[in-house]
Amino acid sequence: AQTVTQSQPEMSVQEAETVTLSCTYDTSESNYYLFWYKQPPSRQMILVIRQEAYKQQNATENRFSVNFQKAAKSFSLKISDSQLGDTAMYFCAFMAPWGTSGTYKYIFGTGTRLKVLA
Amino acid sequence: SQTIHQWPATLVQPVGSPLSLECTVEGTSNPNLYWYRQAAGRGLQLLFYSVGIGQISSEVPQNLSASRPQDRQFILSSKKLLLSDSGFYLCAWRRDSYEQYFGPGTRLTVT
Repeated sequence: AQTVTQSQPEMSVQEAETVTLSCTYDTSESNYYLFWYKQPPSRQMILVIRQEAYKQQNATENRFSVNFQKAAKSFSLKISDSQLGDTAMYFCAFMAPWGTSGTYKYIFGTGTRLKVLA
Repeated sequence: SQTIHQWPATLVQPVGSPLSLECTVEGTSNPNLYWYRQAAGRGLQLLFYSVGIGQISSEVPQNLSASRPQDRQFILSSKKLLLSDSGFYLCAWRRDSYEQYFGPGTRLTVT
């Protein structure tokens, strides 16, 4: 079965510092995508960054970057220069083809609650 | 641009009452649509997905059902709510890209 594990339920970081959120996954698929979503107190899910499994280069979006280790099935998110607005729940998600349905299945981790301290 | 709407935003219903949550997408056609439930302290649990009108697949057996009467409309229903149905319900869509886009969600409290 495909699973996504986020082992850090809560984390905190000082404003302007760097923090890394961990995510591991388990799959037998070779072609898949990984995502980090942010859910602020408004509860709106916002895509932060995505990574294609066939790409060796780690994805980067401004202050957000990932460390994708395919062999280890690890996909961590690094937030640099943390800002108060980064306070949110962060979800790691895995996407792969879903049987013969022609669509894709998304599996989410249980989330890491990040608090940025002033 | 594409937008996704959900309503109501908040709902309080007694046990045994019916439920209807609606999700609509604007600015795209033939999207894949998804219903998720987010319980406290848990991630997102996929409930239903749809690849087209009238095509519904269920991921987890429960007393909920879904329907897609129009291309961009996805409805989550129940005939009789249970306490365990309380949670935050999210609708999402995707089409050509690989990422999903989420609606604002509905907070359901069953009393």
